[in-house]
Amino acid sequence: SQTIHQWPATLVQPVGSPLSLECTVEGTSNPNLYWYRQAAGRGLQLLFYSVGIGQISSEVPQNLSASRPQDRQFILSSKKLLLSDSGFYLCAWSLQSDTQYFGPGTRLTVL
Amino acid sequence: AQSVTQPDIHITVSEGASLELRCNYSYGATPYLFWYVQSPGQGLQLLLKYFSGDTLVQGIKGFEAEFKRSQSSFNLRKPSVHWSDAAEYFCAVGAGNNNDMRFGAGTRLTVKP
Repeated sequence: SQTIHQWPATLVQPVGSPLSLECTVEGTSNPNLYWYRQAAGRGLQLLFYSVGIGQISSEVPQNLSASRPQDRQFILSSKKLLLSDSGFYLCAWSLQSDTQYFGPGTRLTVL
Repeated sequence: AQSVTQPDIHITVSEGASLELRCNYSYGATPYLFWYVQSPGQGLQLLLKYFSGDTLVQGIKGFEAEFKRSQSSFNLRKPSVHWSDAAEYFCAVGAGNNNDMRFGAGTRLTVKP
């Protein structure tokens, strides 16, 4: 069966520091991968998606970036964090069925 | 582009009572519809989905949802709520394109003992 992992689970970072969040999927090949952000009391905002290695589409302009160095690895990065980057970051995967399956999330607090 | 509205931000029900969470969507063609549940600090878990066929779909944990095209709705129901059902529930609509799924703002469910 497929599993999706995210780490770290929680992260507290100062404003202006860099960021790297990692997501990996096991048990499937060539998945589509997604990064979402969930701000407190709000729904999910799609940040990036990827249909293959090195292929990244950005949905929202911001100071975040994403990379997919391997088929089942998706990384969310920032060179300099802003206070507004605080939130709950969710990674998800899907195949052709359009159903997305989510990881456990990373809680990011920027101080 | 498609969109989703969950009219109820917060609902409180007593344990053992029935539950209905509302979801309305906007999309010109036949949508792909989903309900997810999120416990505090956790990721989203898929409860059920509708792609085509029977408009009443059964999901996990005793939940069901009914697709009503005439009302552009996909309401989630459960006949008897358990305390463990307290969580946030999200409705989502997709267009058959993996990369264009839209989520509602969520409904927070509180269960009274």
